[in-house]
Amino acid sequence: DADVTQTPRNRITKTGKRIMLECSQTKGHDRMYWYRQDPGLGLRLIYYSFDVKDINKGEISDGYSVSRQAQAKFSLSLESAIPNQTALYFCATSDGLAGELFFGEGSRLTVL
Amino acid sequence: GIQVEQSPPDLILQEGANSTLRCNFSDSVNNLQWFHQNPWGQLINLFYIPSGTKQNGRLSATTVATERYSLLYISSSQTTDSGVYFCAVGFRGSQGNLIFGKGTKLSVKP
Repeated sequence: DADVTQTPRNRITKTGKRIMLECSQTKGHDRMYWYRQDPGLGLRLIYYSFDVKDINKGEISDGYSVSRQAQAKFSLSLESAIPNQTALYFCATSDGLAGELFFGEGSRLTVL
Repeated sequence: GIQVEQSPPDLILQEGANSTLRCNFSDSVNNLQWFHQNPWGQLINLFYIPSGTKQNGRLSATTVATERYSLLYISSSQTTDSGVYFCAVGFRGSQGNLIFGKGTKLSVKP
């Protein structure tokens, strides 16, 4: 089983719908992240959390919200999806300030 | 501003050839990692290398932090090496968050 698990892996939805992407990890890491990948743009940070009571905005947080339900769970929500949120979304974890980053398998979201 | 630049953007190799990928960064770092994204989209850690040199099989990496660059070497390339290679850098004072370069797309032909 993967150490960092994302669900769903693929989702097609319509403009205006609420979408939640979930992430769970078994690595015991305190830090969790949500990234977005668009073709030719690399990965950009949406939100990050250093522990259950700590949530921080990343580079591109507008239109997104997150919830850290437990040390092992970090979910990303799109309250009202729009087509330019079509992208590949990655959850990641790390174990400290200078720690290695470990990624989930990605969630491909298409907003029509 | 803070920048992470990777070169070349695209690289085509014949199987068995060697290659060097470069990552330049604009400020002092406390974290640098190399990742491989395979054609199925999975991101795999290759190296955690804020300084020094590491080797893992046919791959090795060197970071010269004082000169603000890192190199990833691939020797005797195989078709399974194809994909996109990303450099990600954590700058001092950035709370540990990584800034990704735009990647080098490698295609290894049989």
